[in-house]
Amino acid sequence: SYELTQPPSVSVSPGQTARITCSGDTLPRKFSYWYQQKSGQAPVLVIYEDSKRPSGIPERFSGSSSGTMATLTISGAQVDDETDYYCYSTDSNDNWVFGGGTKLTVL
Amino acid sequence: QVQLQESGPGLVKPSGTLSLTCAVSGGSISSSYWWSWVRQSPGKGLEWIGEMHHGGSTNYNPSLKSRVTISVDKSKNQFSLKMTSVTAADTAIYYCARVHFWHRGWLDPWGQGTLLTVSS
Repeated sequence: SYELTQPPSVSVSPGQTARITCSGDTLPRKFSYWYQQKSGQAPVLVIYEDSKRPSGIPERFSGSSSGTMATLTISGAQVDDETDYYCYSTDSNDNWVFGGGTKLTVL
Repeated sequence: QVQLQESGPGLVKPSGTLSLTCAVSGGSISSSYWWSWVRQSPGKGLEWIGEMHHGGSTNYNPSLKSRVTISVDKSKNQFSLKMTSVTAADTAIYYCARVHFWHRGWLDPWGQGTLLTVSS
């Protein structure tokens, strides 16, 4: 089955730039989406269609995609950004898949 | 403002059938949206289960397709998830969500989630 691969964890100091990657064979042809999930809550979309930011999402969140890798970038990471992030995209048959998730630590 | 609320039995025996419903309020399930189910095993990541359109079209996770059915009850403005032959591996928080009209990977809003435990 199709997989999107994320690093299990990323760690940065407050104010630094955090980059979370997502690797998948269909990413050159399919959009990536990024979700933030805080403990005990439903996920919240932070990036759609590789690089677009929904209204209400802080400007420090940005996305990009090149080749088989999509990247979520948090510029000037804050302690409040410390949580889990998931990429989301489709396989070649348009079945949706989540990445395994990345735990971001900001300390 | 559309809101979603999952409901279910909480506990299902192994080899049994899981049945969950997602009640939609503040909007019609017959509008031109797709509706989705996602689950999360305790301490694990998110897993897409499948999606449906009120017109009857469905898409399922290939790894679950043989056991899963998503259907709509327009009279109750809700949609449902049925999963057969459940095992402990199906223990999870189950979320329902609406799929954005234009951007199919945009799930919003989500329900609060309902915990389903598979145990004898």
